[in-house]
Amino acid sequence: TQLLEQSPQFLSIQEGENLTVYCNSSSVFSSLQWYRQEPGEGPVLLVTVVTGGEVKKLKRLTFQFGDARKDSSLHITAAQTGDTGLYLCAGAFAGNEKLTFGTGTRLTIIP
Amino acid sequence: ETGVTQTPRHLVMGMTNKKSLKCEQHLGHNAMYWYKQSAKKPLELMFVYNFKEQTENNSVPSRFSPECPNSSHLFLHLHTLQPEDSALYLCASSNIIGISGERQYFGPGTRLTVT
Repeated sequence: TQLLEQSPQFLSIQEGENLTVYCNSSSVFSSLQWYRQEPGEGPVLLVTVVTGGEVKKLKRLTFQFGDARKDSSLHITAAQTGDTGLYLCAGAFAGNEKLTFGTGTRLTIIP
Repeated sequence: ETGVTQTPRHLVMGMTNKKSLKCEQHLGHNAMYWYKQSAKKPLELMFVYNFKEQTENNSVPSRFSPECPNSSHLFLHLHTLQPEDSALYLCASSNIIGISGERQYFGPGTRLTVT
């Protein structure tokens, strides 16, 4: 069973600050996705990364896929209250393309 | 609005009740999924349907019974549940399965409380 560990579990910071959250596995991902889930809603896809070392940007969000494709990070610049939510990483592994989800990082941005 | 709707949004049921959760996708997708989201645990995949055929049953207890009458509709029939089954039940759909990185579209979920 492949496990995804996300850290930190909880993060609370002031509006305007920068932050980074992490997703790690002992197995190699064939692809990795980041989702954001707001209260009362289902997860919504933010990005998919496939190539080791890949960096993708979505406005103030920067996603990086590790060279070995075992880890990923999400960096948010100048956090806003609208960034509040549960951030989930989900990986697919070679030979088993079902998505495996991490436990998530619950992010709270304080005005 | 993701194109995936779920009803009801909230459900409280006793352990002897029978109820059903409904999911409908308006995206023309061929694959549909049921997930369970509990506090402090990762999303757990329960069932997968591809072109109306069940392709995955992730060791789910028989008190959960899925039904997929067509590619747009998915049901989860519930009976004699336990309090530990209280959770958010999420439905998702995707265009196809078996392709790495295929995007899944989630509904808003049904918050189930078993008393």
